[in-house]
Amino acid sequence: AQSVTQLGSHVSVSEGALVLLRCNYSSSVPPYLFWYVQYPNQGLQLLLKYTSAATLVKGINGFEAEFKKSETSFHLTKPSAHMSDAAEYFCAVSAGGYQKVTFGTGTKLQVIP
Amino acid sequence: DTAVSQTPKYLVTQMGNDKSIKCEQNLGHDTMYWYKQDSKKFLKIMFSYNNKELIINETVPNRFSPKSPDKAHLNLHINSLELGDSAVYFCASSPGQVDSPLHFGNGTRLTVT
Repeated sequence: AQSVTQLGSHVSVSEGALVLLRCNYSSSVPPYLFWYVQYPNQGLQLLLKYTSAATLVKGINGFEAEFKKSETSFHLTKPSAHMSDAAEYFCAVSAGGYQKVTFGTGTKLQVIP
Repeated sequence: DTAVSQTPKYLVTQMGNDKSIKCEQNLGHDTMYWYKQDSKKFLKIMFSYNNKELIINETVPNRFSPKSPDKAHLNLHINSLELGDSAVYFCASSPGQVDSPLHFGNGTRLTVT
């Protein structure tokens, strides 16, 4: 069984400030972890993924995430928020034979000018 | 060219009606999915097909019936629509490996009145 918990359904940051979106996972087998972004009225787009090659993963738009097995975490960060980063962010886990991806409940990021 | 396309984008219908949503992908992927996103943005997998074969069938009312005529198409037919079926339905595809990201369509917003 696998699950994902995203802490904070809403996060507000000032433009230029650090973005930190939290994700903790649970998996009975080594997981593959993903962050997706959803802009209004659109589908989800992949930001980055962890596949065990490196614990620090860089993605698009300046985002990165660090896999910490001891903490079962995969938090998403960006050093400086931009207005265009305002969106819904989803953490997801995939494990096991068939590719059954389980999503977290999402975090809405608001960027304040 | 749109990679994963869904039609229609919006669907407004009355309770008790039957409706279908179509999905096509031109990425050459073997696996396709239907996800339901509720008003709180929670994403739940409904079905997954691999090369036209059903591989994931979550606890979904049997009023929902997926059909995959070929590996590039996955349609969703819904009988006897209910108010609770109102949601955004997303189609997605992937190569099918456990570490493969999902590619999403832009969703179909279904409103049942």
